[in-house]
This record gives sequence, C-alpha cells and structure tokens, in this order.
Amino acid sequence: AQTVTQSQPEMSVQEAETVTLSCTYDTSENNYYLFWYKQPPSRQMILVIRQEAYKQQNATENRFSVNFQKAAKSFSLKISDSQLGDTAMYFCAFMKPNTGNQFYFGTGTSLTVIP
Amino acid sequence: DSGVTQTPKHLITATGQRVTLRCSPRSGDLSVYWYQQSLDQGLQFLIQYYNGEERAKGNILERFSAQQFPDLHSELNLSSLELGDSALYFCASSVVGADGNTIYFGEGSWLTVV
Repeated sequence: AQTVTQSQPEMSVQEAETVTLSCTYDTSENNYYLFWYKQPPSRQMILVIRQEAYKQQNATENRFSVNFQKAAKSFSLKISDSQLGDTAMYFCAFMKPNTGNQFYFGTGTSLTVIP
Repeated sequence: DSGVTQTPKHLITATGQRVTLRCSPRSGDLSVYWYQQSLDQGLQFLIQYYNGEERAKGNILERFSAQQFPDLHSELNLSSLELGDSALYFCASSVVGADGNTIYFGEGSWLTVV
C-alpha cells in the first residue's frame, strides 16, 4: 500500500514571508500523481496544485510551487508571500492511475499565517 | 464550486437512528469516493465506487454502507448511529484521462449525532 507522510503537524509563518510544507511518500510505482489540497476553516477541500510524476518540471500556481524530488520521493509545497487567507490545513495526496484512481492522503499540516 | 453536490449540508439525529447522505459527482466523473473527517482529524477513506461497482474499501464500519446508482450518484447509509459517528462526511469524484486524474470534493455533509 502507498503511504503519504506529513511530518509537520503544525507550522506558522509571518504574513508576506515564505513557508515550505513537507511531504514524503512511499511507492514502487513509476507513474503517479501528487497533489496538495487546502482546507480552510470553512472545511471545504480545495485543490492547490498537482504534479505528474513523469514531468521533471516543478508545478507552479501563482504563489504556490512544489519541489518534486522523485528519487527521494519528496513533494514539498512552497507558499510565497504568505497571506492571511492561506491559513488552513494542507493535505498532501498521492494517486496511481489505472488502478481505479485510488487516492492516499497524508495526515495534514496546519498552517497559521500571523499578521 | 467543484461541481460535486452533497446533500444534506447539515444533519442532526439521535443515537440509534439511520441516515442517508447523497452525492452527485461532477458531470462525466465515474469514480465516487466517501471520506469521513472527525473534528481535528485527517481524512479517513471509507469507500470508492467506479461506474457502479465497488472499487476499494477503507475503514468503513459494518454499520455503514454505500452504493452508486446507474446515473452515477451515490448514497452513503449510516445506521445504528453512535455519538462517535459525528463528523464531516465528504464525497469526492474523479475522472480518468487527460484531466490529470484529479479528485474533486463536495462541500461535505455535517452529521451531528446527539
């Protein structure tokens, strides 16, 4: 079974600063997808960013970018210019295709942006 | 708006009762997933359906059951409810293909058992 590990239960960052959330995963697959989801206090699950394992280029979405290290099985999320609205729980997720699209989630990192 | 619709949004019921949570996936999505999230907890995978058939089962209690209908909507049935079943229940859906196999979540159904 695949496992996803988020080793930082809680983090904080000053507004306008940069923060990096860690995620590691364990798999023997070569083709898979990785995701970061954000869950603000409203509890809605929002897709932040997605990375295909076959792509060497790191995905970027505005202030959000990832550092994908395939050999190390690491998938960290960098948030630049942190904003108060970034305060949320962040979940890392892994999916391997062609197996019914099973998704595996980490336990989450609670991020607080301090004004 | 993710396109995944869940009803009801909020539900309060007594212990021992039975409830049904309903989910309509995004148009074209064949996979439906159910997750449970208790207060200050992570996501617990319950069950997944693909085009009407059960595809994967997680930590789903025997008191819980689910199904996916021919029109692809899904229902999660929770019976003999206990206080510990109070949680936010998410439905999610995904499509296989060029979309990148992303999973999209509904807004959840808040269940409170009293």
